Amino acid sequence: DIVMTQSPDSLAVSLGARATIHCKSSQNVFHSSTSTHHLAWYQQKAGQPPKVLIYGASTRESGVPDRFSGSGSGTDFSLTITNVQAEDVSVYYCQQYYSLPRTFGQGTKVEIK
Amino acid sequence: QPQLEQSGAEMKKPGASVKVSCKTSGYTFSDYYLHWVRQAPGQGLEYMGWIFPKDGGTHYAQKFRGRVTITKDASITTAYMELTSLRSDDTAVYYCVRENYYYADWGQGALVTVSS
Repeated sequence: DIVMTQSPDSLAVSLGARATIHCKSSQNVFHSSTSTHHLAWYQQKAGQPPKVLIYGASTRESGVPDRFSGSGSGTDFSLTITNVQAEDVSVYYCQQYYSLPRTFGQGTKVEIK
Repeated sequence: QPQLEQSGAEMKKPGASVKVSCKTSGYTFSDYYLHWVRQAPGQGLEYMGWIFPKDGGTHYAQKFRGRVTITKDASITTAYMELTSLRSDDTAVYYCVRENYYYADWGQGALVTVSS
């Protein structure tokens, strides 16, 4: 199984500041069939199901604000939120969809300082 | 717009079974893998398995093999996840998810509580 490790576990940021979450996979998740990294980021607000923000490591899902961006390659990835807003308080998960079983990072809780 | 509507909360005793349904609409049911993911209270996300409605093929996570069965009824575009021999640590919210490579659309979740 591919192990996904996120850091940090939690993050307190000021409104308008930048937040960066890191995700490391135990194997390269670049898939030659799609020429993309099979890495997605999800946002989960309290009491709601997760919602996809980024797929292919860096492609923003339709309707996601452009203050959310994804980057990285190989085994190291990051999600950056610029100009953090109050509504960004959530838990964020990375996930690999390169192989079965699908696996997630442990989650990073983002709060407002 | 794809929609996944799950059945309601369930309370079960240890050793019992639970069957959660996932009624889909807004897309071609047979064309997309439907996954099941669970989340214990305050914990992260855990993959359980999938079904490919077109041919009924399934895959189950090693942890759940022998206890989980995922089925479908294409006539009503609904998938089901049955978990047997329930234990207290099976208490969780169970989600169905439409996969389009990544997890594109999620059901609202079904809370299953296992308690004596």
